[in-house]
Amino acid sequence: AQSVTQLDSQVPVFEEAPVELRCNYSSSVSVYLFWYVQYPNQGLQLLLKYLSGSTLVKGINGFEAEFNKSQTSFHLRKPSVHISDTAEYFCAVSRGSGGGADGLTFGKGTHLIIQP
Amino acid sequence: KAGVTQTPRYLIKTRGQQVTLSCSPISGHRSVSWYQQTPGQGLQFLFEYFSETQRNKGNFPGRFSGRQFSNSRSEMNVSTLELGDSALYLCASSLRGTLFVGEQFFGPGTRLTVL
Repeated sequence: AQSVTQLDSQVPVFEEAPVELRCNYSSSVSVYLFWYVQYPNQGLQLLLKYLSGSTLVKGINGFEAEFNKSQTSFHLRKPSVHISDTAEYFCAVSRGSGGGADGLTFGKGTHLIIQP
Repeated sequence: KAGVTQTPRYLIKTRGQQVTLSCSPISGHRSVSWYQQTPGQGLQFLFEYFSETQRNKGNFPGRFSGRQFSNSRSEMNVSTLELGDSALYLCASSLRGTLFVGEQFFGPGTRLTVL
């Protein structure tokens, strides 16, 4: 079974400052890794994903994440945040079986608060 | 391409009743998964359907059930509702098979309130 830990439940950041949202996972098998964003009263939108290959993954809206296998981490970063980035961010893993849509295991989420 | 649609968006029920939620996946997607989102437990996987068959199931009681139709649309049913079933229920669709890369696309959710 997999598990995901998002170390910060809430991260306040000033506008135009950089931000890092931390995610650590635990799994006995290879995994796929994802970051999703959820805006108020909406579903989840995929920001980026790591399946294999380059450990630095670039996503939408200027976000990127780096997969670190030795530290079992997949931290999300953005060099300069905007007010519109205020949302809940979820890190998720799925079994990297390559053969099907196994359920995603989510972290508890990090609420990113952008302060003007 | 139209996204994942869920109906209804909001629902209010009383304890003991049952409820059915509907999800229409992205055209061409054959896998549909359901998740429950609550403030206390976060996002939890309920089950996944592919080609009208349940393929994976999370740790939920038998009151939670689902089905998938030949057009890939899926329904989720909760019987004998409890207060703790109040949640946002999210549906996600994905491709499956050799092209599958583990990505799920989520709908806007159905907000269920149990009184």
